[in-house]
Amino acid sequence: DAGVTQSPTHLIKTRGQQVTLRCSPKSGHDTVSWYQQALGQGPQFIFQYYEEEERQRGNFPDRFSGHQFPNYSSELNVNALWLGDSALYLCASSLGLAGVAETQYFGPGTRLLVL
Amino acid sequence: AQTVTQSQPEMSVQEAETVTLSCTYDTSESDYYLFWYKQPPSRQMILVIRQEAYKQQNATENRFSVNFQKAAKSFSLKISDSQLGDAAMYFCAYTLPGAGSYQLTFGKGTKLSVIP
Repeated sequence: DAGVTQSPTHLIKTRGQQVTLRCSPKSGHDTVSWYQQALGQGPQFIFQYYEEEERQRGNFPDRFSGHQFPNYSSELNVNALWLGDSALYLCASSLGLAGVAETQYFGPGTRLLVL
Repeated sequence: AQTVTQSQPEMSVQEAETVTLSCTYDTSESDYYLFWYKQPPSRQMILVIRQEAYKQQNATENRFSVNFQKAAKSFSLKISDSQLGDAAMYFCAYTLPGAGSYQLTFGKGTKLSVIP
């Protein structure tokens, strides 16, 4: 049973560029959440996708956008990169059942460095 | 807004001994979920244990157990018989059920070192 996978594992970009990160959820899961983890900090929630719609969003600017595909995989796009976007980006998947808080299972993350 | 506080940036424990990591949270909700996640140097966040606020009984998973004090808004993690593989960052996290909120709110983490 494949867990959550993310690609790429590492990425180096320069300021102003755009980046796309990818995530495949755990088998059987239909919900994908994205988190940003700065060095020495806990993860911060970016947004969550369910049924190809953004269901909830954290306190991140519109430069951060996402997409979920019919197979439940997801992309995180960040435009106009700046130095402060350097972080570990974590994807988590879960079942999108209403009324419960299903456990989120995390992928290994993508380390983004902006120069 | 809900907040999660981990007041111990670093902890250490001798192998085979017991250690307790602290977590407090702030919420006005009565129904919520709490988690402990472990993040080893490999970076992958691994679920350690989960607690539902409406359950009185403290959750236990093998050597890991929690002390959930709802009135005090405290959720500590006890690791018994510590092993070298327990060395990692440990994060406490909070979420609400249902349509109101799906995001996990994390603390800043506690770095646990295990001394052979």
